[in-house]
Amino acid sequence: EVQLLDSGGDLVQPGGSLRLSCAASGFTFSNFAMVWVRQAPGKGLEWVSSIFGGGNDPKYADSVRGRFTISRDNSKNTLYLQMNNLRADDTAVYYCAKGRGMMVTEYHFDYWGQGTLVTVSS
Amino acid sequence: QSVLTQPPSVSGAPGQRVTMSCTGSSSNIGAGHDAHWYQQLPGTAPKLVIYGDTNRPSGVPDRFSGSKSGTSASLAITEVQADDEAYYYCQSYDSSLSGWVFGGGTKLTVL
Repeated sequence: EVQLLDSGGDLVQPGGSLRLSCAASGFTFSNFAMVWVRQAPGKGLEWVSSIFGGGNDPKYADSVRGRFTISRDNSKNTLYLQMNNLRADDTAVYYCAKGRGMMVTEYHFDYWGQGTLVTVSS
Repeated sequence: QSVLTQPPSVSGAPGQRVTMSCTGSSSNIGAGHDAHWYQQLPGTAPKLVIYGDTNRPSGVPDRFSGSKSGTSASLAITEVQADDEAYYYCQSYDSSLSGWVFGGGTKLTVL
């Protein structure tokens, strides 16, 4: 059974940093791209970042590029999101999700973590 | 606003058929990129219900179906039930943004 367990969310002050983790099990982690998607309170879904199975070609939404860094440790089956210089508009539930598809234009997200809440406030 | 446009809400009585749309552009759905749909029940993570325009993951009832034409995709739910009440989001890849995009979501209300 595929399981994704998000953790690391917390209350942090503007300008602060936080690292999120996503522990994966039930599939060959290194074979699949992984993504972070966030949802601000009462809002819709926003793709944040993605990384392919080998850890190459990380991608970022414009809203987080230069502040967030995605990484993965395939030996630990864990995905990370390092978030620096946090702003109030980064406040959201952050979900990790498993990517699936033959090409990026086909990618969809077939399993999701339960989400972890990041609150940026003074 | 979102790159993919969805109506804020749709509604239907139990047993009826409801449809919802997702309108994109020539850099995403109109470019032939796949459209996918997710169901989000209150307080839970999104769940994939349609992928690759028309395909249902294992375990999703065949009451759910997807279609695509031009720059738009649609999700249809036949014989709608009370536990279908949720937000539904469409998703695709955008070549101009070099990333994945979601619609703003449609709230399905079962009357």
